[in-house]
Amino acid sequence: KNQVEQSPQSLIILEGKNCTLQCNYTVSPFSNLRWYKQDTGRGPVSLTIMTFSENTKSNGRYTATLDADTKQSSLHITASQLSDSASYICVVSTRSGSYIPTFGRGTSLIVHP
Amino acid sequence: SQTIHQWPATLVQPVGSPLSLECTVEGTSNPNLYWYRQAAGRGLQLLFYSVGIGQISSEVPQNLSASRPQDRQFILSSKKLLLSDSGFYLCAWSVDPFGEQYFGPGTRLTVT
Repeated sequence: KNQVEQSPQSLIILEGKNCTLQCNYTVSPFSNLRWYKQDTGRGPVSLTIMTFSENTKSNGRYTATLDADTKQSSLHITASQLSDSASYICVVSTRSGSYIPTFGRGTSLIVHP
Repeated sequence: SQTIHQWPATLVQPVGSPLSLECTVEGTSNPNLYWYRQAAGRGLQLLFYSVGIGQISSEVPQNLSASRPQDRQFILSSKKLLLSDSGFYLCAWSVDPFGEQYFGPGTRLTVT
């Protein structure tokens, strides 16, 4: 069964600090992995998308890594800002014929001043 | 550039009433379209997806239905709402069915 597990479930940090969110998956065969940011009451917005051959991808202060061998990904946020407070969702897609991506439950990040 | 619209933004409906949520995409042709529901504190649940006009696949058996009357229009409906239908409904589109999805602003539905 395809699964995506994210940790921690929630995280509180101080403004200016760095943090790392984790995503482990069992989706196979792997197509791509995406990280989304979802502000409360809004639709998710894409941060990064990585295919099998990509190990790292950055988007401003967000850097995602992918280890396809261990089926793990991380999202590192540098110099956090209050606006980083949101839910971060890991999504993995397969090319097995199904159009259905597998979503993680998300990590809720709160940045305090 | 592409834009996705959803309306209404918020909706409060009594149990047993009908539902119609609309989603439209601008700036692209033949998009793949999706309806998701997100319950409070839960992850996104795929409800329906469509790869073309009149082609609808349902992922979760329930009292909801979807239709795609035009290439860039996706409608979520119900004849009789249940309390359990409350949630945040998101429409999304993609070029590649296996690729990145772009989400709309969502509709907050409260069934009372």
